[in-house]
Amino acid sequence: EVQLVESGGGLVQPGGSLRLSCVASGFTFSTYWMSWVRQAPGKGLEWVATIKYDGGDKYYVDSVKGRFTISRDNAKNSLYLQMDSLRDEDTAVYYCGRAYAPDFWGQGTLVTVSS
Amino acid sequence: EIVMTQSPATLSVSPGERATLSCRASQSVSSNLAWYQQKPGQAPRLLIYGASTRATGIPARFSGSGSGTEFTLTISSLQSEDFAVYYCQQYNNWPRTFGQGTKVEVK
Repeated sequence: EVQLVESGGGLVQPGGSLRLSCVASGFTFSTYWMSWVRQAPGKGLEWVATIKYDGGDKYYVDSVKGRFTISRDNAKNSLYLQMDSLRDEDTAVYYCGRAYAPDFWGQGTLVTVSS
Repeated sequence: EIVMTQSPATLSVSPGERATLSCRASQSVSSNLAWYQQKPGQAPRLLIYGASTRATGIPARFSGSGSGTEFTLTISSLQSEDFAVYYCQQYNNWPRTFGQGTKVEVK
């Protein structure tokens, strides 16, 4: 059974940092592209970033370029999102998803940026 | 950036009726279009990819069509569990972009 479990969310002040993790199981993690998608409270879905299966290519939405870094550790079946210089508008539930049109999603982790 | 526009924003349908949702891309995305269903408090669920291929375990009452810039998701006979928000997403170009969603509600 495919499972994706996110962690690392929480309350952080504007300008702060947070690192999200997503642990994958039930499939060969090292052969799949992986993505982060977020959803602000009461809003729609927004694609954030995607990483190639070997970590060689990374893509970001413009609003997070230079602030967020997607990475992975295939030995640990883990996906990460390092979020720096956080802003109020980054407040959202962050989902990890398998592939860039995700066919499996985690349950999400809430990030709240507020002073 | 490719802008995805969904219509209508809200669709009121009676159980058992047919629902037709539209998604338009600001430029061609070929057939690289996915549809998702999301219920309150839940993660999205992939319904359709490649514009018309049902994902694993998705009932046959869900069908997708279209290519290029115009796409349609049809639910042939709405069941109670189908009332939710539906999103389209293009994965032809970077950045990947979602439509704003269509809420299917009980009439």
